Amino acid sequence: EIVLTQSPGTLSLSPGERATFSCRASQSISSYLAWYQQKPGQAPRLLIYDASNRATGIPARFSGSGSETDFTLTISSLEPEDFAVYYCQQRVNWPPITFGQGTRLEIK
Amino acid sequence: EVQLVESGGGLVKPGGSLRLSCAASGFTFNSYNMHWVRQAPGKGLEWVSSISSSYSSYIYYADSVRGRFTISRDNAKNSLFLQMDSLRAEDTAVYYCARPSVNDYADFDYWGQGTLVTVSS
Repeated sequence: EIVLTQSPGTLSLSPGERATFSCRASQSISSYLAWYQQKPGQAPRLLIYDASNRATGIPARFSGSGSETDFTLTISSLEPEDFAVYYCQQRVNWPPITFGQGTRLEIK
Repeated sequence: EVQLVESGGGLVKPGGSLRLSCAASGFTFNSYNMHWVRQAPGKGLEWVSSISSSYSSYIYYADSVRGRFTISRDNAKNSLFLQMDSLRAEDTAVYYCARPSVNDYADFDYWGQGTLVTVSS
């Protein structure tokens, strides 16, 4: 089973700042990594697929990069609606489909 | 518009059973593999089970539910199901059905609103 480790656990930033999230895989997953945003009481929302492709309707301030075992999600300039929990997920070698444990982005 | 609407959650005693349903609309249901993902209260996302678009290709389960849960689908009724037996307290979660962005992929661009399953005596 591929384990995804996200860091940090919590990120405290202010609107307008840049946010960087990390996801590390326990073995190579090529570029088969997705990122999701989840707000309280809502289902997850797909942001990025295949490491660097924005999903439909996702603003350009969201970008993804990385390959093999190390991946990054960047929000270039935080908007108030971006404060949420972010998850990474791999699909290269499933089952099982695995998710990272999440990073909470909170307002500083 | 793609919609996934789960139902069937509720309070059940340990050892009991529940059947979850997911009604799909707005896309060609029989062209997509479908998946269940759950989230325990205050916890992260956990994949539960997957079924191929056609019944004969594949069905997969997480180790934590194998032998207790059964996934199925009715393509004529655009519906996905999860039969949950021998429920445990650790099965308490919101259960989401999810559709992949591309059929053979396993990243999910559409999710239902979720249905809460609570296993407690």
